[in-house]
Formats: sequence, structure tokens, C-alpha cells
Amino acid sequence: GAVVSQHPSRVICKSGTSVKIECRSLDFQATTMFWYRQFPKKSLMLMATSNEGSKATYEQGVEKDKFLINHASLTLSTLTVTSAHPEDSSFYICSARRTQHDEQYFGPGTRLTVT
Amino acid sequence: LAKTTQPISMDSYEGQEVNITCSHNNIATNDYITWYQQFPSQGPRFIIQGYKTKVTNEVASLFIPADRKSSTLSLPRVSLSDTAVYYCLVGDEPSDMRFGAGTRLTVKP
Repeated sequence: GAVVSQHPSRVICKSGTSVKIECRSLDFQATTMFWYRQFPKKSLMLMATSNEGSKATYEQGVEKDKFLINHASLTLSTLTVTSAHPEDSSFYICSARRTQHDEQYFGPGTRLTVT
Repeated sequence: LAKTTQPISMDSYEGQEVNITCSHNNIATNDYITWYQQFPSQGPRFIIQGYKTKVTNEVASLFIPADRKSSTLSLPRVSLSDTAVYYCLVGDEPSDMRFGAGTRLTVKP
């Protein structure tokens, strides 16, 4: 099956710093990748949709200047949390799909803790 | 965007069949119904997807009535490792799908 990886699996950073999370499709080319955020005991919330080579589409309420998404290749998307604050601490999950009507394959998630 | 409603939690015992029902009254003509399983601190895992009637794979069955306003995920003979949160999503595109609260299934010995 299709495999999606994320790196790092967990990261701790200081308030005010930026942190980058990578999402890779290991054995397929992903035309579209999605980024989600999940707080403890809560459901996944879609943050943004990114298509390879174009700007990401952000969901309402998600600050695009704070959560920078780059999808420069068909196998890699990155999410950079800029000027992180403790309230940004969360579980960040990406997913990827090959074509428009393909299912989405989820990564294992990245636990971000901002101190 | 189609809204989904599921029971918040369910308990079962090993070896039993578990049926989780999801309501999606405003499902659109082009929408598919997809179920995911999520373990703590892991990304969701695809279980099954369907459009109408019945779909079966090696892990589950999905029953969808003719009006498509609900669907039932059936897990045969659950084991302790099936303890997880199960999400029902409805939509044509992932960007149209919204994760609801899910159903927290607890399988007891």
C-alpha cells in the first residue's frame, strides 16, 4: 500500500522559534497533500490543502503566514510553524493522495511541543 | 459540507461483532462515505469506503441504505487491538470532508 512518512515524529521547541515538519510520500507521487492538526482527545482539523507547484489553500481561521506550507515536489510537502507559541503545541498529521478521486493516505503524525 | 453524527463511545467484548452507525442526512449525490480508524498518537488508517448498498473487504463491511442518509460500519469478531477511535467521513474530496468527534470503541476481554 501507499506509505506516507513524517519527520520528525516529535519535536520540542522554544517559544518564538520556528519548526519545520516534513511529509513524504514514499512509494507514490502525491499531487495533493493535506495538513491536519489534532489537539488531545479532539478530532482532526483540516488546516490546508496543497497541490504540487502551487500555493496552499488554507481553511478559514488558519493563519497562512504562521503556518507556511511548501509542496515543491510530488513526494514532499513541508509545514513550517513560524514564531511558535505554546498554544501551537499539537499533533500535526499530513495526508497525501495520488489523483483527485484517490483515497488519502495519512502519515504517522508529528507531536509538537512548544515550551 | 455533509455533517456526520456518530455515537461518542461504544463498548464491546472480544469476539463480538460491532456495528457503528453514522448519520449523514445532508449527503450530496457525489459524496462517498469513508471510515477511518485511529489509534492514540498515530495518523488515521483507512478502513473502507462505499457509495451505496454494501461493501466488504478483509477487515470490515459497510452497509449503506438506499437513501444514503446513514451508514453502518461492521467489524466482525473484534479483538482487543480494535480498541480505537473510528471516524465516518462524507464527501467527494478530502478537502470537503470533515472529521467529526468519532466513536471511541473499547473492546474488553
